[in-house]
Amino acid sequence: AQKITQTQPGMFVQEKEAVTLDCTYDTSDPSYGLFWYKQPSSGEMIFLIYQGSYDQQNATEGRYSLNFQKARKSANLVISASQLGDSAMYFCAMREDFMNRDDKIIFGKGTRLHILP
Amino acid sequence: AAGVIQSPRHLIKEKRETATLKCYPIPRHDTVYWYQQGPGQDPQFLISFYEKMQSDKGSIPDRFSAQQFSDYHSELNMSSLELGDSALYFCASSLPRLAGVRETQYFGPGTRLLVL
Repeated sequence: AQKITQTQPGMFVQEKEAVTLDCTYDTSDPSYGLFWYKQPSSGEMIFLIYQGSYDQQNATEGRYSLNFQKARKSANLVISASQLGDSAMYFCAMREDFMNRDDKIIFGKGTRLHILP
Repeated sequence: AAGVIQSPRHLIKEKRETATLKCYPIPRHDTVYWYQQGPGQDPQFLISFYEKMQSDKGSIPDRFSAQQFSDYHSELNMSSLELGDSALYFCASSLPRLAGVRETQYFGPGTRLLVL
C-alpha cells in the first residue's frame, strides 16, 4: 500500500491565488514527521516545511503552511499568493520515527504545479 | 547559507563502467543520505551514514557501495553500470541527532547520471 498519496498529478492555478496541494499518509507509527519538498525543472530538491506528529500547531514558513489533520492522516500544503516561481513539482514525504527507527524519507508521487500569469 | 555540495553535477558513462559520486554535507551535519530518482519518479532511499557508520540501507543494488569519511563527506561508488542506473542521485544531510530525534534532511543539487 502507498504510504504517501498525492491525488493531484497536475494543477493549474492563476498567479496570486492560493493553492492547496493534497497529501494523505498511512502509518501505524505513533511518531512520524511529514515534509514537503519543491523540485523545480532544474532538478534540485528544496525543503519547504516540516510537521511533527506530536506538534500541536500547524507548521508555517512564510507563504507555506501545512494543514495537518491527524485524525484524517492528511497533510496538505497551502501556498498563499502564488507566484510564477512556484511552478514546480511538489513532493509530500514522511519519515517514520518510532517503530522502524530508520532514516529514510518516503516520498509521494508528486504534484506538478503550474502557475499561470 | 552553505548547502550540500555534490560532484560532479553531470556524468555520462558507458554500460559496465564505474562511477563515483561525491557529497559534501552542510557544515556541522554528521548524517548523510543517498537517494536515487529515476526519470519521472519519486526519490528512493539508497543508504545513510551517521558518524561515519552505515545507519540504514534501502533499495541499493549490490553493485553500489558507499562510505562516509572522517571529514563527513560521502562517496557513492557504482560499478558495472546498467542503462537503468540512469537517474538523478541526491545526497542529503542533517544535523546531529538530539536525544535520538532525527533532523530535517536538506538535499544537494543532485548528480545527473546518464548511462549509454
